[in-house]
Amino acid sequence: EIVLSQSPDTLSLSPGDRATLSCRASQIVNRNNLAWYQQKPGQAPRSLIYGASNRATGIPDRFSGSGSGTDFTLTISNLEPEDFAVYYCHHFGSSPDTFGQGTKVEIK
Amino acid sequence: EVKLVESGGGLVKPGGSLRLSCAASGFSFNNYNMDWVRQVPGKGLEWVSFISSSSNTISYAESVKGRFTISRDNARNSLFLQMTSLRDEDSGIYYCARKKITATARYGMDVWGQGTTVTVSS
Repeated sequence: EIVLSQSPDTLSLSPGDRATLSCRASQIVNRNNLAWYQQKPGQAPRSLIYGASNRATGIPDRFSGSGSGTDFTLTISNLEPEDFAVYYCHHFGSSPDTFGQGTKVEIK
Repeated sequence: EVKLVESGGGLVKPGGSLRLSCAASGFSFNNYNMDWVRQVPGKGLEWVSFISSSSNTISYAESVKGRFTISRDNARNSLFLQMTSLRDEDSGIYYCARKKITATARYGMDVWGQGTTVTVSS
């Protein structure tokens, strides 16, 4: 089973700041099988990034993903008020699917 | 509009059973793989089960193997999760999600339902 470890657990930032979220896999993974999701309180997760670096439909370009091997990054440039949420990375393609524990981006 | 709507959650005693449903609309359901994912409120996401578009491939998390059964009815655009021998730790919000994989890209879970809540308690 591939374990995903996200860091930090919480990121306290102000609107307009840049957020850098990390997701580290316990072994090398195919970047095509790495996705990121955003979840706001009381809502279902929403697809943000697929294939490590491709934005899902309708996702603004302030969201970007990068990485390969075991280290992946989600960057949110110029945080908007609606971006304060919890973010999860996800590996799929080999059972079981696994999720990171999440990073909460909160308003400082 | 592409939509997934879960139903069937509720309060059940430990050892009891429950059947969750997920109604799909706005897309060709029979062309897509599907997953169930659960979440204890305030905690992270946990993958539960996967079924391929034609039901040829099915997999489960170890924590539910032997107790949960995933199935689908492509004629009715519906996904199901039969849960038996329920435990306290099975409580949570259960989401169905579409898993989109094409010849050119692997999108992951690109569409999610709003979730249905399962509470296992005596």
